[in-house]
Amino acid sequence: QQPVQSPQAVILREGEDAVINCSSSKALYSVHWYRQKHGEAPVFLMILLKGGEQKGHEKISASFNEKKQQSSLYLTASQLSYSGTYFCGTDRNTDKLIFGTGTRLQVFP
Amino acid sequence: DTAVSQTPKYLVTQMGNDKSIKCEQNLGHDTMYWYKQDSKKFLKIMFSYNNKELIINETVPNRFSPKSPDKAHLNLHINSLELGDSAVYFCASSQETGPSVYGYTFGSGTRLTVV
Repeated sequence: QQPVQSPQAVILREGEDAVINCSSSKALYSVHWYRQKHGEAPVFLMILLKGGEQKGHEKISASFNEKKQQSSLYLTASQLSYSGTYFCGTDRNTDKLIFGTGTRLQVFP
Repeated sequence: DTAVSQTPKYLVTQMGNDKSIKCEQNLGHDTMYWYKQDSKKFLKIMFSYNNKELIINETVPNRFSPKSPDKAHLNLHINSLELGDSAVYFCASSQETGPSVYGYTFGSGTRLTVV
């Protein structure tokens, strides 16, 4: 039931791009994306609703394909501040958010 | 002002003890949650309250008992602590029941270590 994220870990140099994928075995109503820095709380980045929309947040954007039950997070021209663990959170129109397995992103100078 | 605050931040205790974690939010949100993050970083929902009413109770041992005295507070009491309870416990809140378009606001977490 837990969404699966890939890759599990990504190592980047500053300025490089990355894509993080989130895949669910169940039909989805919406997808959330969060970033958690080491020792801190997860922080909400964005939500994508049914309709296959793509949203942006600074140089971080995401897409949602509800037919494939997948979402992807795109990080462009990565910065050191992007380092952390990224979680997708999936909503099946119930009262709860189920978080994915997480992707650890490290950006080096 | 901290939006969602949890106390204590760290908790080290012996097996068999009973402990409580407190959570308060000043965002005026209607719904509050408890999530458990294990050593592999998996975030799992435990409970959810909407305006003091329990709406989600996942498969959690009966030793865990949440209490919401009002919609701004959600506490977690754990009886007879076991080694496997060691984890980081996060409190979160959202503007409405279920996944909100504004997302969840998480507290800073309580790292529980059972020895």
